[in-house]
Amino acid sequence: GAGVSQTPSNKVTEKGKYVELRCDPISGHTALYWYRQSLGQGPEFLIYFQGTGAADDSGLPNDRFFAVRPEGSVSTLKIQRTERGDSAVYLCASSLGTDRRDTQYFGPGTRLTVL
Amino acid sequence: AQSVTQLDSHVSVSEGTPVLLRCNYSSSYSPSLFWYVQHPNKGLQLLLKYTSAATLVKGINGFEAEFKKSETSFHLTKPSAHMSDAAEYFCVVSEAGGFKTIFGAGTRLFVKA
Repeated sequence: GAGVSQTPSNKVTEKGKYVELRCDPISGHTALYWYRQSLGQGPEFLIYFQGTGAADDSGLPNDRFFAVRPEGSVSTLKIQRTERGDSAVYLCASSLGTDRRDTQYFGPGTRLTVL
Repeated sequence: AQSVTQLDSHVSVSEGTPVLLRCNYSSSYSPSLFWYVQHPNKGLQLLLKYTSAATLVKGINGFEAEFKKSETSFHLTKPSAHMSDAAEYFCVVSEAGGFKTIFGAGTRLFVKA
């Protein structure tokens, strides 16, 4: 079946603007993760959803970042008042269920550039 | 608190020679450990995972890793490198009782002909 998809693949915005990044997980996967990967670094955990609820949002860097998953499937990561330091690749992953040992399947990412 | 240290930022090997990518972890509880690979312009893909069963774990493409609790290590090995193995490799830890996953900084593997 289809893998995890993310849109847009690239987003260029200006400092101070609002952006939304979308993730479509694999059908039937209840767990969904967001990560941020800066150049030359490993992915940094942002938030984890189990169903519709954010089970762990300890990785969100500040209150400009927010994510939702209203129907337990598609998720949107929202960034307000973007800053140049927000420039990175934002990755989404989904996994089958509630076991932390489940394999995470990653999307191709959204490359965000803040000018 | 959990953390992951990948001891080498770059590793270069010749085709046909062994590969060793080193990973040490710190975890308060019994961890799950993973290795992921990221090829240029491609998504992250799971190579293998340790989930408290056998300590020697075999993965895809001939890779394997051994969980050594006494050394808090989970090094990735392959007997014979192939040109297609050139990529970025990430060691990942997920701690019991939570779902926060921590990635290492990555090791870029170069394979010379």
